[in-house]
Amino acid sequence: IQMTQSPSSLSASVGESVTITCRASQNIHNYLNWYQQRPGKGPSLLIYAASRLQSGVPSRFSGSGSGTDFTLTISGLQPEDFATYYCQQSYITPDTFGQGTKLEIK
Amino acid sequence: EVQLVESGGGLVQPGRSLRLSCAASGFIFEDFAMHWVRQVPGKGLEWVSEISWNSGTIVYLDSVKGRFTISRDNAKNSLYLQMNNLRPEDTAFYYCVKDIGAGSIRGFDYWGQGTLVTVSS
Repeated sequence: IQMTQSPSSLSASVGESVTITCRASQNIHNYLNWYQQRPGKGPSLLIYAASRLQSGVPSRFSGSGSGTDFTLTISGLQPEDFATYYCQQSYITPDTFGQGTKLEIK
Repeated sequence: EVQLVESGGGLVQPGRSLRLSCAASGFIFEDFAMHWVRQVPGKGLEWVSEISWNSGTIVYLDSVKGRFTISRDNAKNSLYLQMNNLRPEDTAFYYCVKDIGAGSIRGFDYWGQGTLVTVSS
């Protein structure tokens, strides 16, 4: 299953809200996860099952969608949110990831 | 605190072998499936392999099938990846990853810091 994220990169300011989209090449129901990766670190899980917030993740992160179209929204960007974000489908093995969205400070 | 610490990466010639290890702590290791995920430096993520809690189910990415072997030792809280017949395209950071363990929902809730494998002559 191919996962396509958009945009590939995004510039925003602290306090703004941003939305990243992820499209699957076939129906994956709600088997969609979102990760954040900061430079030099392993990824961290933000959202699983499309909309469930992982324990310890700030509530400004939210996920929605089902089927083939999904979104990650960050409401009120904080300085630590500038990172790269990946979606991942876990419906069919092999799990596959989107190409990533790099969120940069404007 | 959950910790996953990989080791065993390095520079290796094409066709040679390498064994990665992952030491897990801070959770009940034997209760969770574990994975290896890799990332070419500066590029995206690629799932490589999964092993169930009791090693009863093992799955591989097609491009590593027959060359890589995942295993675990629950008594030692350790995960392994034996990589044989390495190719230049296997060059990547390799992450040890814990499954979220939420029934049918798969997700990777903890990642190690990664170990770099470079395959080059």
